[in-house]
This record gives sequence, C-alpha cells and structure tokens, in this order.
Amino acid sequence: AQKVTQAQTEISVVEKEDVTLDCVYETRDTTYYLFWYKQPPSGELVFLIRRNSFDEQNEISGRYSWNFQKSTSSFNFTITASQVVDSAVYFCALSEGGGADGLTFGKGTHLIIQP
Amino acid sequence: DAGVIQSPRHEVTEMGQEVTLRCKPISGHDYLFWYRQTMMRGLELLIYFNNNVPIDDSGMPEDRFSAKMPNASFSTLKIQPSEPRDSAVYFCASRIQYTGNTIYFGEGSWLTVV
Repeated sequence: AQKVTQAQTEISVVEKEDVTLDCVYETRDTTYYLFWYKQPPSGELVFLIRRNSFDEQNEISGRYSWNFQKSTSSFNFTITASQVVDSAVYFCALSEGGGADGLTFGKGTHLIIQP
Repeated sequence: DAGVIQSPRHEVTEMGQEVTLRCKPISGHDYLFWYRQTMMRGLELLIYFNNNVPIDDSGMPEDRFSAKMPNASFSTLKIQPSEPRDSAVYFCASRIQYTGNTIYFGEGSWLTVV
C-alpha cells in the first residue's frame, strides 16, 4: 500500500528565512510519481511540481527547489527567502504506476510566514 | 484554457436535505476524480471515472453518496440524505492519460450541513 508522511504539521518562520518541508513516501512500485500541491488560504489546490521515480535530479524554480532521494524515500521542498505570500498548506502526494487510482496525499504542512 | 469548474462554491443545507455538487472537467481530460477534504481525514479519494465510466468507488463513505458522469464534460456528486458529518470541502479534479499522472483540481465546493 502507498503512504505519504509529512511529519511537520505546522512551521512558522520569519519572512526571508529559508524553510524546508519534509515528505517521506512508501510504495512497492518501481514506477511512481511524486507531487507537491499548494493550498493557499483561499482554498484551491495548486499544482507545483511532478517528479517520476526514474528522475532523481533536483529541480529549482525561482525560490522553490525540490530534493528527491530514492535512497531515503524522500521528496523535500525548500523555499528560499520566504515571503508572506508563501503562507499556505503544502501537500506532498504519490501516484503509483499507471496512476489510475489518483493521488495519495500526506496530511499537509501548514506554513506560516511572519512579516 | 479553463480549469476544472465546480459549483456551487459554498452551500449550507439542513440535515436530511439532498445536496448535488457539480463539476466540469478540463476539456479533453479522460479521468475525473472526486476528493473530500476534512480536518480529521485530510484529502481522501471518493471515486474516479475514466472515459465517463466509474472505475473505483471504494472511497465513497456510504450509500448516501452517489456520483455520475453522463458525459465527458459533466459530473455530479450527490448526497442524500445529508448529515452534519458530511460537512467538508469537496474537490473535483481531472487529468489526461499519459501526462505523468498530474491531476488538476477545481476550487472546491464548501459544504456545511447543519
């Protein structure tokens, strides 16, 4: 069975600090996809990134970066120089193989960026 | 391009009433998902369709819940009769096959049953 664990329920930092959100996953499949979604206070779920199990290259997009390590089954998300607008709940998710079963989500990490 | 469109955005109803949530997936997408989000259980998959056919409804909590997809551009999730414990945010999402399983979500329907 697949599982996603986000151990950090809530993180609070001061603006401009760097912050890392942890995600650990479990799956028996060799082919799978990992995702991060952002849920701002307005409530919608916004897709941020997808990574497949065969691509362990880290990715950077502006202030956002993602570290995928199969050896530790982790897919961590770092925000550099955080801003108040980054305040949101962030979800890590997993989709196995063909993905027909949709996504399995972690419980989410509530990130609070204080001015 | 329009994203996934859900209606209503907010609904407050009395216990025992029928609730119908509606969804229009992204044009061309062949998978449609209904998720429910609560504080206690987080985001959980209720049911999904492929090419308008229900594939897995094992996440539907009980017989009071039903979902249909009469055509490629419309789906409904119905709760009858509604109960206070059904209060949640219901998300519809869609994806197209062979795009790395990325699912795109609507803005959600916030349901309160009093």
